[in-house]
Amino acid sequence: GIQVEQSPPDLILQEGANSTLRCNFSDSVNNLQWFHQNPWGQLINLFYIPSGTKQNGRLSATTVATERYSLLYISSSQTTDSGVYFCATTQGGSEKLVFGKGTKLTVNP
Amino acid sequence: DAGITQSPRHKVTETGTPVTLRCHQTENHRYMYWYRQDPGHGLRLIHYSYGVKDTDKGEVSDGYSVSRSKTEDFLLTLESATSSQTSVYFCATSLAGASEQFFGPGTRLTVL
Repeated sequence: GIQVEQSPPDLILQEGANSTLRCNFSDSVNNLQWFHQNPWGQLINLFYIPSGTKQNGRLSATTVATERYSLLYISSSQTTDSGVYFCATTQGGSEKLVFGKGTKLTVNP
Repeated sequence: DAGITQSPRHKVTETGTPVTLRCHQTENHRYMYWYRQDPGHGLRLIHYSYGVKDTDKGEVSDGYSVSRSKTEDFLLTLESATSSQTSVYFCATSLAGASEQFFGPGTRLTVL
C-alpha cells in the first residue's frame, strides 16, 4: 500500500514565525487532505486538496501530485496553531484514507 | 463541520468484556469510518461503511465488528476487549468515498 511520510516530525516556533510542513507519498495519489489535531484531541479538516493550491487565512496548501508531495504553509504563527498536523490520502480507486504519522507543532508566545 | 457525536466519550472496562461505541451524525453523509489513534502509529482505519448495511474492513479490523442499520448511526463493537485495544477511537464521515472527511470528538477507551 501507499506510504505517507511527513516532515519534520517536530517543530518549535516563536509566535509570528512562518513554517512549511511537508508530506511525501510513495506513489501517485488523489484526495489529499490536511488535518489539524489540537491539544485537546479534536481533529479538524484544514484542506481537501488533490492538486493545486488553496488558501484559508494564514494557512495555505499546495499539492503536486505528479511529484508526489504536498506542502502546508503556516504564516505568522499563533499559539493556537499548536498541535499535530496530519496529511492523508487515498490511492487509485481506494476509498480508504492512509494517514502520515504527523508533524507536532509547538508555537511559543 | 458535520454534526458528529460519539458515545461514550470515556470508558474503562475489563479484559474479556464486550464494548460498543456509537457514532451519530446529523449530516446525512453516506460514508462513515472508525479509526483508532495510538502513539507512534497515527490514525489507522478499522472499518468503514459506504451505506446502510454496507461495510468493509480497514487496516486493523481484527477483533472489531461494525454495524450500520440506519444512515445516522455507526456502531463499533469489541466482542471481547483486550488490553491492546486500549486507544482513542475516532469516528468520521464523508459525503462520498474518499471525499473530505469530518471527525467526531473521539472516545478514550481503557481496557484493564
